[in-house]
Amino acid sequence: LAKTTQPVSMDSYEGQEVNITCSHNNIATNDYITWYQQFPSQGPRFIIQGYKTKVTNEVASLFIPADRKSSTLSLPRVSLSDTAVYYCLLLNTNAGKSTFGDGTTLTVKP
Amino acid sequence: NAGVTQTPKFRILKIGQSMTLQCTQDMNHNYMYWYRQDPGMGLKLIYYSVGAGITDKGEVPNGYNVSRSTTEDFPLRLELAAPSQTSVYFCASSYPGTSGYNEQFFGPGTRLTVL
Repeated sequence: LAKTTQPVSMDSYEGQEVNITCSHNNIATNDYITWYQQFPSQGPRFIIQGYKTKVTNEVASLFIPADRKSSTLSLPRVSLSDTAVYYCLLLNTNAGKSTFGDGTTLTVKP
Repeated sequence: NAGVTQTPKFRILKIGQSMTLQCTQDMNHNYMYWYRQDPGMGLKLIYYSVGAGITDKGEVPNGYNVSRSTTEDFPLRLELAAPSQTSVYFCASSYPGTSGYNEQFFGPGTRLTVL
């Protein structure tokens, strides 16, 4: 399973845009880049998924360069409630396997 | 829809005991997964299933067994519980689309302590 690397932690302030980068040098052709959010004592919650270029939904954007060896999750105008752990993982839809890294702990300060 | 449900929510086991963690989903998803999450760490895949009757090992399968006799249920069996199996266990399900889209839906977790 291809491994992902993310920063261990990040701090931000309310109202700022936050960008979390994930490195995945050994990404496979069938891997989709997926981001999850997890609050304490809860299961992870899906944020966004993409294969290449840019994907945007109501809560985030995902930027993927042409070589797909990295990706950036962008959270616009964060609030205190965005304080959580964010996981980048590669989902191989053919095999069903997935690997979570240790995630990035985002702390949003007032 | 209830989504993914897990029982029990909490359990304390003695070393050497056995138990089954239950997971049920009502979304007709063909893919199901079991993860464990140790304190301060990410999730590690234990077993997964791509359909009824089909299961496969993940990263950390030792000490666990699974079965998938129906689309809805994916129980995880712990035999001879050990302190190293103290963790939070999450079950998830998904329905990969033809375009590759694959969102996993997670249950609330089972917190297991082995003493």
